[in-house]
Amino acid sequence: QKEVEQNSGPLSVPEGAIASLNCTYSDRGSQSFFWYRQYSGKSPELIMFIYSNGDKEDGRFTAQLNKASQYVSLLIRDSQPSDSATYLCAVNGSNDYKLSFGAGTTVTVRA
Amino acid sequence: DTEVTQTPKHLVMGMTNKKSLKCEQHMGHRAMYWYKQKAKKPPELMFVYSYEKLSINESVPSRFSPECPNSSLLNLHLHALQPEDSALYLCASSQAPPASTDTQYFGPGTRLTVL
Repeated sequence: QKEVEQNSGPLSVPEGAIASLNCTYSDRGSQSFFWYRQYSGKSPELIMFIYSNGDKEDGRFTAQLNKASQYVSLLIRDSQPSDSATYLCAVNGSNDYKLSFGAGTTVTVRA
Repeated sequence: DTEVTQTPKHLVMGMTNKKSLKCEQHMGHRAMYWYKQKAKKPPELMFVYSYEKLSINESVPSRFSPECPNSSLLNLHLHALQPEDSALYLCASSQAPPASTDTQYFGPGTRLTVL
């Protein structure tokens, strides 16, 4: 059973600041790592995926993966009020259909 | 295009009703999923279809009956539901293993209320 834990929220950051979200996972065989954003009442929206150790940047978002430490993080730079949402970390094994989700971290960006 | 569509957006049904949820994708994905999500909880996997065959059933009660008529369509038939089944039902799709990417894309969901 893959377990995924996220830092407890809610996380409140001022507009323009960096929001830092953390996630750890228990299964060393995990291969794929995803961050989804979910607005209240809406479905999860993929914002980042990462497969290799290191950093991956996409616009204001940076995902960081450290497989040795079983740790994946998401940085949101220049946070905007529109970034206020719940962020779900999800992990998958090799050739596995089952995504394991963390409980989610709710981020509020204060204007 | 990474679009998964779901109908209806909202559904209210009584405990004796029979209804169906529908999901469609045109990304050429051969794996499709049903999830259930309660408020302030992450999605919970219900069923997985791979190449139109049911490959995972997460011990879901038989009042939920999935169907995959073809590689683009996925249905969830509902019968004799309970009020605790009220939730957001999400469909997702991805490439099927073995694949270079297993990214799952979610549809907008159906908000189900059981009276």
